Amino acid sequence: DSGVTQTPKHLITATGQRVTLRCSPRSGDLSVYWYQQSLDQGLQFLIQYYNGEERAKGNILERFSAQQFPDLHSELNLSSLELGDSALYFCASSLRGTSSSEQFFGPGTRLTVL
Amino acid sequence: GQSLEQPSEVTAVEGAIVQINCTYQTSGFYGLSWYQQHDGGAPTFLSYNGLDGLEETGRFSSFLSRSDSYGYLLLQELQMKDSASYFCAVPNSGNTPLVFGKGTRLSVIA
Repeated sequence: DSGVTQTPKHLITATGQRVTLRCSPRSGDLSVYWYQQSLDQGLQFLIQYYNGEERAKGNILERFSAQQFPDLHSELNLSSLELGDSALYFCASSLRGTSSSEQFFGPGTRLTVL
Repeated sequence: GQSLEQPSEVTAVEGAIVQINCTYQTSGFYGLSWYQQHDGGAPTFLSYNGLDGLEETGRFSSFLSRSDSYGYLLLQELQMKDSASYFCAVPNSGNTPLVFGKGTRLSVIA
């Protein structure tokens, strides 16, 4: 158990819908990262927050947005969902904001868009 | 940007040693990390090399050569539970979040 929690574990929804994925980092970790993992694209970095502020952005679509709240939990919002958004979404956390830090991954949310 | 190359699949026998290579191209270098992921599971951190040389953690070792833009993960005394995907990763420019390789699927056979 990494200490990172994600909810829900599974999510099935329809195209065009909007969903919110939730992540609680390990106690004491200030940085939260979101990743998307699909079979053909591997593990893709989406966005990072550090102590409530956006730190870095990857290949995140405009339909996707995220935020980190004062208690450091984070939410990833996915809207106007398409079939291709079906994937595993991981949240990870680390103490610092640099990538040399070990990142601890949550169990993931498996999103299926029908 | 960053790019990483690693073999897509490796098969090895239980009890043997296997080496998974990773070559990278980066615009700035902050270190090479390795992660393990079992099917259906989350990636877990294995090791980090910030400097050239070998880092050993139990049965796993990781090596880095910055001059060759190359690293490898060495797994010794292979066990069936080592069957998993292994990813090398480097930070993007500015030491911001990780860019992962496509992963090497290791199958350990009896």
